[in-house]
Amino acid sequence: GAVVSQHPSRVICKSGTSVKIECRSLDFQATTMFWYRQFPKQSLMLMATSNEGSKATYEQGVEKDKFLINHASLTLSTLTVTSAHPEDSSFYICSAEQGHDGYTFGSGTRLTVV
Amino acid sequence: AQTVTQSQPEMSVQEAETVTLSCTYDTSENNYYLFWYKQPPSRQMILVIRQEAYKQQNATENRFSVNFQKAAKSFSLKISDSQLGDTAMYFCAFSPQGAQKLVFGQGTRLTINP
Repeated sequence: GAVVSQHPSRVICKSGTSVKIECRSLDFQATTMFWYRQFPKQSLMLMATSNEGSKATYEQGVEKDKFLINHASLTLSTLTVTSAHPEDSSFYICSAEQGHDGYTFGSGTRLTVV
Repeated sequence: AQTVTQSQPEMSVQEAETVTLSCTYDTSENNYYLFWYKQPPSRQMILVIRQEAYKQQNATENRFSVNFQKAAKSFSLKISDSQLGDTAMYFCAFSPQGAQKLVFGQGTRLTINP
C-alpha cells in the first residue's frame, strides 16, 4: 500500500531556533499534502494544505511566517517551524491524498522546544 | 462550515464483544466522503473504513462495518468480535468532494479489556 514517510520522528530544539520536518510519499506522487497539529489527547487540527509548485493554503489562525511550508516536488513537502518557542511543542502529522483511495498519513513528529 | 461530532470521549468493552462508536456531522454538501481512522499508541493514523455519500450500501471491512444514515447525518462504526489490538483512539472524519481536506471529530478512546 501507499506509504508516507515523515522525518524526524522526534526532535528537541532550543527556543529561538528553527526546525524542519520532512514528509515524503514513497511510492506515489502527491500533488497535495496536508499538515496537522495534534495536542495531547486531542484531535488533529489542520494547519495548512501544501500544493506542489505553488504556495500553501493556511487555515485561519495559523501563522504562515512561523510555519513555512515548501512543496517543491511531487514526493516531498517540508514544514519549517521558525523561531520555535515552547508553545510550539506538539505532535505534527502530515498526510497525502490518494484521490478516491483516501489519505495516507506519516508517522508524525514530536517536537519539543526547550 | 462542516463539523464532525463524536459524543463518546471514552468507551471500554470486553474482548470479543461488539462495540459501536457514534459520529454525526453537519454539512450542506450532497457529495462527500466519510472515514474512520484508528490511532494506536504509536500515533500512526490508520484508515479503518471509508464511505462515499452517494452509495447507499454500508461499507464493511472484515470485523468493521458502518451504519451510514445520510438523512440523519450519522456515521457510526461497529466493531465485531473486538480484539485487544483494537485498543486505540478512533477518529471520524469528513471530506467534501473536491475539497480534499479532512475535518476530524474529537475522537473516542476505545479500550478492549482482556
